[in-house]
Amino acid sequence: GNSVTQMEGPVTLSEEAFLTINCTYTATGYPSLFWYVQYPGEGLQLLLKATKADDKGSNKGFEATYRKETTSFHLEKGSVQVSDSAVYFCALNQRTGANNLFFGTGTRLTVIP
Amino acid sequence: GAGVSQSPSNKVTEKGKDVELRCDPISGHTALYWYRQSLGQGLEFLIYFQGNSAPDKSGLPSDRFSAERTGGSVSTLTIQRTQQEDSAVYLCASSLEAGVAINEQFFGPGTRLTVL
Repeated sequence: GNSVTQMEGPVTLSEEAFLTINCTYTATGYPSLFWYVQYPGEGLQLLLKATKADDKGSNKGFEATYRKETTSFHLEKGSVQVSDSAVYFCALNQRTGANNLFFGTGTRLTVIP
Repeated sequence: GAGVSQSPSNKVTEKGKDVELRCDPISGHTALYWYRQSLGQGLEFLIYFQGNSAPDKSGLPSDRFSAERTGGSVSTLTIQRTQQEDSAVYLCASSLEAGVAINEQFFGPGTRLTVL
């Protein structure tokens, strides 16, 4: 089946610290991988995506690389800001059938000044 | 342009009552999804509509849950005889179409359902 496992939170970092949120997946075939972000009081937004092995998705200083050999899609940012405080969700879809997203449980990040 | 909208934003109901939740997808999006976000369960897929095809109901947790999509646009999720475990945030998402390499889904703000 399809599933996503991501790092338990919450994560608290000081501004300008390095961020890693781990994400691994189980899937049949070749899924597309996503990171969604949910800022306080807002809806889910797509942060970045990758559709095949070794692709790197990037946006707003965040990056994640699709690693087929380790079935991972870890989210990284070199220097976090207070405005990055949010809940981050790793997700996959199979590009067939319903194309529904399978989500991890979410990781809450708080960045303190 | 306008994003996905959902109504109501909050709904409080008593156990055993029926509720209807509404989703207006982005104009031109043929694919529509309902998800549920609850404590301890994370985000779960419920149901999917693609154009005028029969919906994929594989994620619905029980036969108390149903959904329809009229005219390929607005969708209503109905929960009959609500139970306390139905308390969650119900999210709607839409995308241009399914079955393409990059399926970016755009999410609405959600409806927070509380069953007393």
